[in-house]
Amino acid sequence: GAGVSQSPSNKVTEKGKDVELRCDPISGHTALYWYRQRLGQGLEFLIYFQGNSAPDKSGLPSDRFSAERTGESVSTLTIQRTQQEDSAVYLCASSLAVDYGYTFGSGTRLTVV
Amino acid sequence: GQNIDQPTEMTATEGAIVQINCTYQTSGFNGLFWYQQHAGEAPTFLSYNVLDGLEEKGRFSSFLSRSKGYSYLLLKELQMKDSASYLCAVRDWGKLQFGAGTQVVVTP
Repeated sequence: GAGVSQSPSNKVTEKGKDVELRCDPISGHTALYWYRQRLGQGLEFLIYFQGNSAPDKSGLPSDRFSAERTGESVSTLTIQRTQQEDSAVYLCASSLAVDYGYTFGSGTRLTVV
Repeated sequence: GQNIDQPTEMTATEGAIVQINCTYQTSGFNGLFWYQQHAGEAPTFLSYNVLDGLEEKGRFSSFLSRSKGYSYLLLKELQMKDSASYLCAVRDWGKLQFGAGTQVVVTP
């Protein structure tokens, strides 16, 4: 596609439920990144994919967080048993390769109530 | 540890110049990026430095000194639409590590 597409754009969920966030990168972009941005704060790295392998998942905050990517396409970030501190905007970005700049999606705003 | 520091907020007048400093200490370095982020929107790419020196792109310039772990973003002829958060990011072993961002407020 023309840009990085994320869905849903907004998600309100009850504490304890699981959520899945989806990212469709730009076609042909081999690298895909997930970041979290809490209100008024900077971007916090979560995980990145090169193809469908994840060389660095060091930013995942706990084992409630997981991500996968099929081929060089869609990625899903799953948060199990959501907590209120998970409320944030989750941003996905893709790049042609790890040495190139990122293009960001518009993000998913997650609110845990 | 990883440290990327930039001021929290800067205010400047329309038409003026503002310089946003960024200092970094990271385990790896393979380039420094600046992004602009308007409230409620995704970050957009502004500039990239991998070698020491100044890169100029229209009203925006970015400078890098690798030996000092220092960069700045210079915004000239400020316009109201430049009011945004400016994010400094260091590429560290394949991923970008971001600073907390500098909120620039442009006043008439």
